[in-house]
Amino acid sequence: QQQVKQSPQSLIVQKGGIPIINCAYENTAFDYFPWYQQFPGKGPALLIAIRPDVSEKKEGRFTISFNKSAKQFSLHIMDSQPGDSATYFCAARRKGGYNKLIFGAGTRLAVHP
Amino acid sequence: KAGVTQTPRYLIKTRGQQVTLSCSPISGHRSVSWYQQTPGQGLQFLFEYFSETQRNKGNFPGRFSGRQFSNSRSEMNVSTLELGDSALYLCASSLDSGGPNPYEQYFGPGTRLTVT
Repeated sequence: QQQVKQSPQSLIVQKGGIPIINCAYENTAFDYFPWYQQFPGKGPALLIAIRPDVSEKKEGRFTISFNKSAKQFSLHIMDSQPGDSATYFCAARRKGGYNKLIFGAGTRLAVHP
Repeated sequence: KAGVTQTPRYLIKTRGQQVTLSCSPISGHRSVSWYQQTPGQGLQFLFEYFSETQRNKGNFPGRFSGRQFSNSRSEMNVSTLELGDSALYLCASSLDSGGPNPYEQYFGPGTRLTVT
């Protein structure tokens, strides 16, 4: 049973555009929401994470927006570059679930020059 | 600090065989988690070890097992391999206590297992 739904499956933007990736969750016991970036042949790399008591968090060109009432969160990449082309995963951790992460299905992003 | 390391990086096995994968966490990290990544099922949690004890387990058959050593290094074992076990197996480590973000997980490069 998929508990974190991620969309879109793939996304193409031009350089400088702002791709937005969305995730929705069902379990209100989730208390930690990280985003990971994965390049081909590499393991996922932690990009940015947020907790439900915060509505927005920025780190460099990456921003997470969090809507607790709608049980949705999204990743925005400002001024996207071809080097941002990768697969992005959202994830969630259940309170008391130690380090078990439940991942979304992933979004393959292509940034064209 | 060195990142999470996994060995071997690539492995080819035959159905019915067993395999052992190794993971060395970031120095000081006490928790090690294992994930399976496939194109069809995505990233799925296998299990987590902390202080040499399994404290979390995903929905995988008993053929999948693991252990953690006193130095936090971890191994996972898959017995009686099936074709469907072909996947990228990822290890992640976290500090688990202390610091502002103790539950942040850092992944290794993975072990690509192919079962023929």
